[in-house]
Amino acid sequence: TQLLEQSPQFLSIQEGENLTVYCNSSSVFSSLQWYRQEPGEGPVLLVTVVTGGEVKKLKRLTFQFGDARKDSSLHITAAQPGDTGLYLCAGARRTGANNLFFGTGTRLTVIP
Amino acid sequence: DAEITQSPRHKITETGRQVTLACHQTWNHNNMFWYRQDLGHGLRLIHYSYGVHDTNKGEVSDGYSVSRSNTEDLPLTLESAASSQTSVYFCASSADTSSYNEQFFGPGTRLTVL
Repeated sequence: TQLLEQSPQFLSIQEGENLTVYCNSSSVFSSLQWYRQEPGEGPVLLVTVVTGGEVKKLKRLTFQFGDARKDSSLHITAAQPGDTGLYLCAGARRTGANNLFFGTGTRLTVIP
Repeated sequence: DAEITQSPRHKITETGRQVTLACHQTWNHNNMFWYRQDLGHGLRLIHYSYGVHDTNKGEVSDGYSVSRSNTEDLPLTLESAASSQTSVYFCASSADTSSYNEQFFGPGTRLTVL
């Protein structure tokens, strides 16, 4: 059983639509990261959230860490074809821990 | 520029053979990790190392081994390859000083065990 479950697993939307991806766990994390992975490449870090309730914005992407630090969401406004990829959340169980637990992943396709 | 490389990028082998996947980083990071990626499972940690001569088991370590003789390299060995080990393997590294534990990933190795 994965420590972090993401939903949905697959998402296909039209360009310009909004979407939200969820990352849930029954465990508490000291920090939560979101990575994006393109075909044939390794994941690349998008953002790190460390405080319960924290919201970070990266252009059209909004990331939120749950108040209890057990969950996170990624919201994309006006999706573009360039947003297509695999989105992975990853959590650290304690501050300074070097190990990350990765979520199951959400594969997003944005259709032009 | 600093980078992390993996070789080979693609490998086909037969059941029972020993296979070694290479990972080399020029970030001078102490922490290095090996993951496998399978559909529906995201990334699962195989082994990791916090420094030279240090190795630790991850959640899916059975059938795999690593050794760390220098800072730059962490080769992953499949002692006797099995079809269940067909997967895409990623190596990553991170710095001790990163309080946010950002990991930098290599491009991956696609391994097929026939």
